[in-house]
Amino acid sequence: KQEVTQIPAALSVPEGENLVLNCSFTDSAIYNLQWFRQDPGKGLTSLLLIQSSQREQTSGRLNASLDKSSGRSTLYIAASQPGDSATYLCAVPMEYGNKLVFGAGTILRVKS
Amino acid sequence: GAGVSQSPSNKVTEKGKDVELRCDPISGHTALYWYRQSLGQGLEFLIYFQGNSAPDKSGLPSDRFSAERTGGSVSTLTIQRTQQEDSAVYLCASSRGRNSPLHFGNGTRLTVT
Repeated sequence: KQEVTQIPAALSVPEGENLVLNCSFTDSAIYNLQWFRQDPGKGLTSLLLIQSSQREQTSGRLNASLDKSSGRSTLYIAASQPGDSATYLCAVPMEYGNKLVFGAGTILRVKS
Repeated sequence: GAGVSQSPSNKVTEKGKDVELRCDPISGHTALYWYRQSLGQGLEFLIYFQGNSAPDKSGLPSDRFSAERTGGSVSTLTIQRTQQEDSAVYLCASSRGRNSPLHFGNGTRLTVT
């Protein structure tokens, strides 16, 4: 059974700091990994999708890495801004299915 | 449309009543998912559609829950004889396929009184 763990559960940083969010998964037989953000009262917004053959993906100030063999992914946010405050979730699909399994998320607060 | 649309955005119903939740996916997206998010809980998978077929409905909590998709587009999640534990945000998502990003709607907040 695939289990996804995110650390830390919550993080509060001053504006401008670089930060790292962690995601680990128990079954490395995945074909991609996705990072999402969720703002209060809203759905999830896809940030980055890393294919299993890739090591990292970048979008603006966001960089996600994937180490499939060790079952880990990190989301790096550079020069954090108050607008980055949200819950960040990672999700992996099952190898032979399309169901995404989500972590519980990291609640990020960037203080101005 | 520009994104995944869900209606209603909020629904308050009395225990024992039936409810229908609607999802309009992004045009051309063949895969459609329903998830549930309860207060303080993670996202719970309910059902997955590929076209009009549901190859994975393993997450439906009980036989009170059912879903259908017609024309490879709109999907309806029906909850019969609602219970208080059904109160949650029901999220719909769609994608082009297994290696494409998932796009979520804003959800339907269901409150059963």
